[in-house]
Amino acid sequence: EDQVTQSPEALRLQEGESSSLNCSYTVSGLRGLFWYRQDPGKGPEFLFTLYSAGEEKEKERLKATLTKKESFLHITAPKPEDSATYLCAVQYTGNQFYFGTGTSLTVIP
Amino acid sequence: DAMVIQNPRYQVTQFGKPVTLSCSQTLNHNVMYWYQQKSSQAPKLLFHYYDKDFNNEADTPDNFQSRRPNTSFCFLDIRSPGLGDAAMYLCATSLRLAGSYNEQFFGPGTRLTVL
Repeated sequence: EDQVTQSPEALRLQEGESSSLNCSYTVSGLRGLFWYRQDPGKGPEFLFTLYSAGEEKEKERLKATLTKKESFLHITAPKPEDSATYLCAVQYTGNQFYFGTGTSLTVIP
Repeated sequence: DAMVIQNPRYQVTQFGKPVTLSCSQTLNHNVMYWYQQKSSQAPKLLFHYYDKDFNNEADTPDNFQSRRPNTSFCFLDIRSPGLGDAAMYLCATSLRLAGSYNEQFFGPGTRLTVL
């Protein structure tokens, strides 16, 4: 059973067209949820950590939110340089980390 | 800047020829991880060290071994690489405090090609 599911797998946006990426997880014992950005051929770059339902974090055009079953990464007025794969990872009480397969975002000028 | 460094960035080896990948960190984190990532897949945890304590994932093949001689360095040894081991290998670090592992910081990865 998948621990972390991300959707959509791929997303194409026009520059300036806001949207959201989803990360859903199996519940019970969540310690933290993490968002990363990964550019082709590079390691993931840490973006946010969320610990409890209702929590929100922002960084430039990105805003991450958390509910009891899922997290959203909202992208406001994206630019071409926001094109990347966005990975979600969850940590459970046993300290295991589980990564999703990511959403590949392409922003078209 | 504090960082996670991986060498080499690209490694080509022959089928069955042992290879070692290295990772170093200047973050002074007490946990170091090795992940395998294949194209369009999630990073797959191979093992991690909490200080000198080695933690192997249940499904990590015996072909993969690791060493952590000190806090700053960690090595991934692939004893007999097969074609299926061609992948990006990612090293990450985190700080474990009060029994909880915090966010992980990744190196740039080593792209392994097996001929």
